[in-house]
Formats: sequence, C-alpha cells, structure tokens
Amino acid sequence: GENVEQHPSTLSVQEGDSAVIKCTYSDSASNYFPWYKQELGKRPQLIIDIRSNVGEKKDQRIAVTLNKTAKHFSLHITETQPEDSAVYFCAASIAGSNTGNQFYFGTGTSLTVIP
Amino acid sequence: DGGITQSPKYLFRKEGQNVTLSCEQNLNHDAMYWYRQDPGQGLRLIYYSQIVNDFQKGDIAEGYSVSREKKESFPLTVTSAQKNPTAFYLCASSIIAGVAGELFFGEGSRLTVL
Repeated sequence: GENVEQHPSTLSVQEGDSAVIKCTYSDSASNYFPWYKQELGKRPQLIIDIRSNVGEKKDQRIAVTLNKTAKHFSLHITETQPEDSAVYFCAASIAGSNTGNQFYFGTGTSLTVIP
Repeated sequence: DGGITQSPKYLFRKEGQNVTLSCEQNLNHDAMYWYRQDPGQGLRLIYYSQIVNDFQKGDIAEGYSVSREKKESFPLTVTSAQKNPTAFYLCASSIIAGVAGELFFGEGSRLTVL
C-alpha cells in the first residue's frame, strides 16, 4: 500500500519568515495530494490541494509543489503569522481505484510561529 | 447548518466494554471514513464506506466494527478486542467515492479507557 513520510515533525519559525514542510510518497498511482491544518483541539481542515497533472499551486501565502518523478510534494507558507501555528498533515490519495478513495496521511508537522 | 456531527465528544469506558461512536453527515456525501489519531502517528484509517451497506477495512481495522445502513450515518464500535483503544477518533466524508476530493472532518471523539 501507499506510504507517506512527512518531515520535519516539528518546525519553529520567526513571524514573517517562510516555512516549508516536505512529504514523500511511495505509490506512483497516487494522483491527489491535499494538505490539512489542524489547530489545537479542532478538526483538520483542507488548506490546499494539488492533482498529479499540475506541478505547482498557489493560494495567497500558501503554495504546494509536486514532483511526480521524485514522488515528493511540499507545502510552502510565506510571511508566516502566529495564527499559522498548528499541526499540518499531508496526504496522498489514489482516486478512482477499485479499492475506493483511500487517503494516506503523513505523521504531521507541528508548526510554531514565534511573534 | 451542513456538516459532520460526531458524538459523544468525550467518552470513558471500562476495560472489556464495547462502545459505539456516532457519526452523522447531512452533506449528501457518498463516502465516509473513520480515522484514529494518536500523538506522533498522524491519521490512520480504520474503516471506510463508499456506499450504503458496503464498507472496507483500513490499515488498523482489528478490534473495530462499522455499519452503513443509511447514507447519512456511519457508526463505529470499539470492541473489547481492541488492545489499545484510548485515542482520538475522527469521522470524515467526501462527496463522491472514487473521485479525489476534499475530506470533511467531524470534531472528533476522544475515548479514554479506564
């Protein structure tokens, strides 16, 4: 099955700096890669996603890049703010497979933005 | 107000007891999922269902059971066979099974075995 690895497990940055979180996946059939943000005590929420036919996607201060050849994708947050502090999860999904729409999650990155 | 509702939010159980966690959604989503979240281990899939009366095991299904009698409901039973049931459980749904799309999560149920 799919195996998603996520690094780093913890990340501290100064407010205004950039943060980068990296994930690798093992199954070349994976074709959908979402990123979720989970604030303390709250549910995970989708912040950005990318499909395998796209190399990069940006939404304001957040961007995701995908390298299908190397099987890795990254989340980039620019101009970080204290409210960006949360746990971030990457995931990989194989849509349309006979086994259904499974999502495989990384182990999470705890991001702390220091004011 | 559309969304996914999990109950109870907190649950305490004695060893040897079965407990059922409720998950209801009014988003008209086809697919529903149960994940277990432990510190440092991310989200691990317990069971998922693409359609009513059908469900598949995830990576850690042992000691759990589910049913999908209605599109809106996907309850999870944590049985006494689950060796380490203390965890945070998240239910999720997505709009169309087989098509990659956003997972919508409930607020979670925290189970503690005493």
